[in-house]
Amino acid sequence: EAQVTQNPRYLITVTGKKLTVTCSQNMNHEYMSWYRQDPGLGLRQIYYSMNVEVTDKGDVPEGYKVSRKEKRNFPLILESPSPNQTSLYFCASSLPPQQGWSGELFFGEGSRLTVL
Amino acid sequence: DAKTTQPTSMDCAEGRAANLPCNHSTISGNEYVYWYRQIHSQGPQYIIHGLKNNETNEMASLIITEDRKSSTLILPHATLRDTAVYYCIDLRSGNTGKLIFGQGTTLQVKP
Repeated sequence: EAQVTQNPRYLITVTGKKLTVTCSQNMNHEYMSWYRQDPGLGLRQIYYSMNVEVTDKGDVPEGYKVSRKEKRNFPLILESPSPNQTSLYFCASSLPPQQGWSGELFFGEGSRLTVL
Repeated sequence: DAKTTQPTSMDCAEGRAANLPCNHSTISGNEYVYWYRQIHSQGPQYIIHGLKNNETNEMASLIITEDRKSSTLILPHATLRDTAVYYCIDLRSGNTGKLIFGQGTTLQVKP
């Protein structure tokens, strides 16, 4: 079954304690991306990756790091989490969103993170 | 910032057509418009996309104006399960991979 898997789904942590949210896809997609969702602010893109070893900033990258060492994995790293990073996080993957793109962006189920 | 603008919320009666507008006044000639929806706190789901011509699939229809500055997503017979946030997005020029969703339109389908 084609899917994007995020872990953990729920996490409560404390300020400053490094954490990693993993994202894995089994569709051999080149493109992967992270979003955060906050009430009243919609979905905001954090980082994206067009292929292995190629990453770039989205609209809200501050406080986050990513890596793309393998095609299937795109972990989101919070080196020193702060309460303003409390949010619902989504990972997504697809074929490269270039001209003529089918538009099928596959999302994970989300990871709800609370930083105290 | 999002290049598309949508109304914050809309209501629709069950069984009636839901027409969701989107303005994309700065869209370039070769940029597609894509529509997604997000039910509750699930991951967004692709609905439909188009370039110039009207499009229809099993989920919805997409009407794009001739000048391509706006489009309308049509759910022909809205059901309670269509209550969701609907996002209209376009690709930024240069195919950079930045996919900006914005705040979308919250559609409430009422009995």
